[in-house]
Amino acid sequence: EADIYQTPRYLVIGTGKKITLECSQTMGHDKMYWYQQDPGMELHLIHYSYGVNSTEKGDLSSESTVSRIRTEHFPLTLESARPSHTSQYLCASSEDLVRTGGDYGYTFGSGTRLTVV
Amino acid sequence: QKEVEQNSGPLSVPEGAIASLNCTYSDRGSQSFFWYRQYSGKSPELIMFIYSNGDKEDGRFTAQLNKASQYVSLLIRDSQPSDSATYLCAVKGSGAGSYQLTFGKGTKLSVIP
Repeated sequence: EADIYQTPRYLVIGTGKKITLECSQTMGHDKMYWYQQDPGMELHLIHYSYGVNSTEKGDLSSESTVSRIRTEHFPLTLESARPSHTSQYLCASSEDLVRTGGDYGYTFGSGTRLTVV
Repeated sequence: QKEVEQNSGPLSVPEGAIASLNCTYSDRGSQSFFWYRQYSGKSPELIMFIYSNGDKEDGRFTAQLNKASQYVSLLIRDSQPSDSATYLCAVKGSGAGSYQLTFGKGTKLSVIP
């Protein structure tokens, strides 16, 4: 049973539209991440957050922006979608190691497959 | 630049055989190591993690870690067609950004019935 939810699962949208991809988790994790993955290709980190009001850009340059106003919510926004943004977007979260006493890696959401036409 | 290297495959094994997936990493201070399975069009799911040198077994899966050689592997015994997927090796390093996982590009495994 997924404890991290992404909506929508699939989205087809026209060029120039503004879109927000939603990601929410119910596990109380303080760290959250957005990855971009093209079919058959590797994961690329585009944004991450270590807590409320903390966001950073990842390794892959992205025209998207993120916000972290609440612990459980980490939405990603594209102000003006372009065909080059067509990809799968994966959200993930992880827990504070000190609190858990262990390291259990990331939990991924089911992803949003975005197509910009 | 922290790197995680995997053979991209595809690795083909017959049903019932042992599949061996390998991964090397560059950050000698890495502390935690993970194997994720990703079916086509799906998101990665965690199948194994290992922190200490040696072997860790969970059902048909065994993770092996050798920090001196900076090498981690995953063995899948009695491979089934349902094991056909891409397997991602992920490493959590040390120092700045140590909360983040560095992922390999993945090895595609195909189990032939």
